[in-house]
Amino acid sequence: DADVTQTPRNRITKTGKRIMLECSQTKGHDRMYWYRQDPGLGLRLIYYSFDVKDINKGEISDGYSVSRQAQAKFSLSLESAIPNQTALYFCATSDPYREPGANVLTFGAGSRLTVL
Amino acid sequence: LAKTTQPISMDSYEGQEVNITCSHNNIATNDYITWYQQFPSQGPRFIIQGYKTKVTNEVASLFIPADRKSSTLSLPRVSLSDTAVYYCLVGDTAMNTGFQKLVFGTGTRLLVSP
Repeated sequence: DADVTQTPRNRITKTGKRIMLECSQTKGHDRMYWYRQDPGLGLRLIYYSFDVKDINKGEISDGYSVSRQAQAKFSLSLESAIPNQTALYFCATSDPYREPGANVLTFGAGSRLTVL
Repeated sequence: LAKTTQPISMDSYEGQEVNITCSHNNIATNDYITWYQQFPSQGPRFIIQGYKTKVTNEVASLFIPADRKSSTLSLPRVSLSDTAVYYCLVGDTAMNTGFQKLVFGTGTRLLVSP
C-alpha cells in the first residue's frame, strides 16, 4: 500500500459543485500539505498543516478550504468549484524531526480534477 | 521568501552525465537544498538533499559551493528513464514561527534521447 493515498484519483465535476479531495498517510508524519499543479507549471502550495490543531494558508488558498481530521488525514475542499480550478492536486507529508531544517516531502499519486 | 532559478529545459543522450544548476541567492542559514524528480502525472519523488559541500547517493550527486548561493545536481550516465522534470527546493523559514514552508519553482525538464 502507498504511504500517501489520495482519493479520488480522477474527478470530473460541474461549476458550482462542492468537491472534496481526501488524503491519508501511514508515514506517521505530523506535517501535511496540499499542492496544485497546472500543465507545464510547477507546484503551488494551497494549504499546510503542522498538526491537527495547526492549519495555515499557502500561496493560493482562495477558493479552497481544508480539514485535518486526524494526524493521518487531511482533506481539501472546493466549496464551489470553478473551471480555473481544473488541475492536478497533490497531497504530501513531511517529518520535521528527521533532521533539523531537512524537510523531505513524500507525495501521493495525485488527484486530477476537471471542472466543466 | 527563498526563491530558486533553474533552466527551463535540458537535452541529453543516453550514457552522458547531466548537470542541472539551481540558483538560490537568498538562501537562509538554516535552509537545506532538496532535489525532486517528477514523471508525468505522478507526484514528485525525493532524489537528494544537502546543506554544503558534496552529497552522493545511489542516484545522484549534489554539489554545493561554500557560499551556498547555488547547487548542482549531477546525474551520472543518464538513461531514457531519467526523462523527467527536476525541481530544486530551498526550505523557506518563516521568521515568526521558525517553521519551513517548501516552495517549488517551475523545475527543469530533462529530455534524454537514444
